[in-house]
Amino acid sequence: EVQLLESGGGLVQPGGSLRLSCAASGFTFRSDAMSWVRQAPGKGLEWVSAISVSGGRTFYADSVKGRFTITRDNSKNTLYLQMNSLRGEDTAVYFCAKDGSGWLPGNWGQGTLVTVSS
Amino acid sequence: QSVLTQPPSASGTPGQRVTISCSGSSSNIGTNTVNWYQQFPGTAPKLLIYSNNQRPSGVPDRFSGSKSGTSASLAISGLQSEDEADYYCAAWDDSLNGFVVFGGGTKLTVL
Repeated sequence: EVQLLESGGGLVQPGGSLRLSCAASGFTFRSDAMSWVRQAPGKGLEWVSAISVSGGRTFYADSVKGRFTITRDNSKNTLYLQMNSLRGEDTAVYFCAKDGSGWLPGNWGQGTLVTVSS
Repeated sequence: QSVLTQPPSASGTPGQRVTISCSGSSSNIGTNTVNWYQQFPGTAPKLLIYSNNQRPSGVPDRFSGSKSGTSASLAISGLQSEDEADYYCAAWDDSLNGFVVFGGGTKLTVL
């Protein structure tokens, strides 16, 4: 069974940094592209970033480009999202997701809440 | 404002057939496949349809997807009370370096 477990969320001040992790199990992690998707309170889904199987290709939403960095460690079956220069509008539940088809999310984790506030 | 356009709400009575539309452009739906997701309040989204019309194992055949040109649709037949949820479409967009676009979501109410 595919399992994705996010961690690292919490309260951070504007301008601060946070690193999210997503521990994967139940599938061959190194064979699947991965992505991060977020959902602000009461809002819809917003794609954040995606990474290829080797980590050599990365993609970002314009809203986070230059501030967030997606990486993966295939030896640890773990996906990361380094978030810098955080803003209030980054407040959301962050989900990690395994590729379903064509870079689109398939299986999802349960999410981790990031709150950016002073 | 979302790149993919969905109606904000839809409704139906038990047993009815309901359709949710998703409108895009040539750079996303017109060129790439569409996925659909179901989300209940406070929970993670669940993949409902992938590659336009394929159902993952465990998804009832009451759910079906289709795509034509730059639009896609999700149909739910034999509507049940437990289908009341939010539904999202998504597609890869080939603009710029490439990115995933979601619809704004449709809240389905079973009357």
